[in-house]
Amino acid sequence: DAKTTQPPSMDCAEGRAANLPCNHSTISGNEYVYWYRQIHSQGPQYIIHGLKNNETNEMASLIITEDRKSSTLILPHATLRDTAVYYCIVRVAAATDSWGKLQFGAGTQVVVTP
Amino acid sequence: DTGVSQDPRHKITKRGQNVTFRCDPISEHNRLYWYRQTLGQGPEFLTYFQNEAQLEKSRLLSDRFSAERPKGSFSTLEIQRTEQGDSAMYLCASSLELPGKGGYTFGSGTRLTVV
Repeated sequence: DAKTTQPPSMDCAEGRAANLPCNHSTISGNEYVYWYRQIHSQGPQYIIHGLKNNETNEMASLIITEDRKSSTLILPHATLRDTAVYYCIVRVAAATDSWGKLQFGAGTQVVVTP
Repeated sequence: DTGVSQDPRHKITKRGQNVTFRCDPISEHNRLYWYRQTLGQGPEFLTYFQNEAQLEKSRLLSDRFSAERPKGSFSTLEIQRTEQGDSAMYLCASSLELPGKGGYTFGSGTRLTVV
């Protein structure tokens, strides 16, 4: 699976949009971009994933560049409860693929401040 | 179903002792995974099961580690002769074989401290 690069930390003001970048310059055509987050003392939580089109759900939006070498996770209105480590992961997601190896990096520590 | 449950939440043990952790996955999920996470790092894959079959093991899983899922439901992870380097959070996750959106559902983990 391709490796990702994320900034180690970022701050965001409560109520503002948080834009979390991720570089995945070696991504393959059949690899998806996944985002998980981990709130302190909890297990990682799925946020969103996409292949090449932008995606939106109730938690966030995912913007993937046309060349797919980078993406941005957008939390539209950050709250204090969004303070967490956010992980960007790229991996194959074919129907028969092994789901054994989500390769987590160190992620981005996001701190939302009042 | 309230999600993936792990027990205990915390475990303190003396070096050299054996410990066992339990994971109860979401009932309809046939895949179950174990991860280990040390402070400041992302989770590292250890092993996974499809039903009762252990299909993949990381080289991180030394001979002192063994995992079972005897009836394809709950799983146990045992560490024999614990070492201080085993201190970490042990995370369990489960998924459908064809996960679709969402992928894994993680438990809250078991934090192991070896003194």
